[in-house]
Amino acid sequence: DQQVKQNSPSLSVQEGRISILNCDYTNSMFDYFLWYKKYPAEGPTFLISISSIKDKNEDGRFTVFLNKSAKHLSLHIVPSQPGDSAVYFCAASGSGNTGKLIFGQGTTLQVKP
Amino acid sequence: DTGVSQDPRHKITKRGQNVTFRCDPISEHNRLYWYRQTLGQGPEFLTYFQNEAQLEKSRLLSDRFSAERPKGSFSTLEIQRTEQGDSAMYLCASSPGQGAAETQYFGPGTRLLVL
Repeated sequence: DQQVKQNSPSLSVQEGRISILNCDYTNSMFDYFLWYKKYPAEGPTFLISISSIKDKNEDGRFTVFLNKSAKHLSLHIVPSQPGDSAVYFCAASGSGNTGKLIFGQGTTLQVKP
Repeated sequence: DTGVSQDPRHKITKRGQNVTFRCDPISEHNRLYWYRQTLGQGPEFLTYFQNEAQLEKSRLLSDRFSAERPKGSFSTLEIQRTEQGDSAMYLCASSPGQGAAETQYFGPGTRLLVL
């Protein structure tokens, strides 16, 4: 049972354009959502998060949008840079009190110069 | 740098051998998590500590796996009688432990290859 899904395995965008990464979830108990970026052979690096009481959170070039009714969140990166090329994971927590994260399968972003 | 550290970064072992990994969380972080990541998948939760107490274990954690956090600081994950299916990246993360909705910070991982 995949509670967090990233249906696009890969995305390719041109440098300077917007990158939009999508994530869907099924568990309505989730109340905190995070995006991580991962390079090969490294651990995930935290990018940005959003609480379920908000519908948008912005940090520099990164903005996360949450649509609770659709159980959907997205990460916007604008402008995209070649250094943004990596695997992006969305994660959710809140089903229980442990704070454990449930991850999607990841989307590989390639930003072309 | 006071981030999460893991040791070793890489481990190659033969099937049937025991291996032990260490994780040092961010100082004063009360919560410590272990995850496992296989190729093409996101990290999967294995187990969680609040200080020295192990409060949750995934059904992925068979009886060959054991984790400890004896003094509420560093943690070890041991795999006994390794199998080829144990080959994966083992990730450790920590968080302050002040509430349910917290950001977890990950270490660089230990990549295990079982031959």
